[in-house]
Amino acid sequence: QQQVKQSPQSLIVQKGGISIINCAYENTAFDYFPWYQQFPGKGPALLIAIRPDVSEKKEGRFTISFNKSAKQFSLHIMDSQPGDSATYFCAASMDTGRRALTFGSGTRLQVQP
Amino acid sequence: NAGVTQTPKFRILKIGQSMTLQCTQDMNHNYMYWYRQDPGMGLKLIYYSVGAGITDKGEVPNGYNVSRSTTEDFPLRLELAAPSQTSVYFCASSYRAARSDYGYTFGSGTRLTVV
Repeated sequence: QQQVKQSPQSLIVQKGGISIINCAYENTAFDYFPWYQQFPGKGPALLIAIRPDVSEKKEGRFTISFNKSAKQFSLHIMDSQPGDSATYFCAASMDTGRRALTFGSGTRLQVQP
Repeated sequence: NAGVTQTPKFRILKIGQSMTLQCTQDMNHNYMYWYRQDPGMGLKLIYYSVGAGITDKGEVPNGYNVSRSTTEDFPLRLELAAPSQTSVYFCASSYRAARSDYGYTFGSGTRLTVV
């Protein structure tokens, strides 16, 4: 029940296109859902996060959509740029028990010029 | 403003050898974490700490040990290295249990190969 499933494993998008990465979770106790961005040779960095009291959060070209009933959330990258090429991880955590993030398996995004 | 510093960046160990991965943060964060990252597997939690003197196991603690004698330092110890421990190890810290909008601050990682 701690698992967070992420898809696709890899994604190729043309410059200017929309990148969509999906995640699903089982544990309904999760109540915090961040996305992390990782460039090669670097540690992941927080990109954007959402809590289940809202269905969408937008920061610049990055949007999280959250569907509580389906236990799914997704990251949309609008007007994708070559500089967005990185690995993206979804994650989830809860405020009880093990207070640490559970990460998805990651999506390698390549934005072609 | 160093953030989270991990040393070494790279290491090759022979089977059965021991080593300590160092992690130091200068942000006065109470929460610290060790993750390992394997290709296609995401990040798996090894150990975490909610404050000095307090540590707890994560998803994959076997073969590892940690200590947290100070707020700043959270070293990870491998006692008898095995090929299955070949991975990239990340240390992270957070202000409030990864739930704040500041999230985790990660170090740059240690790439460990066990041969």
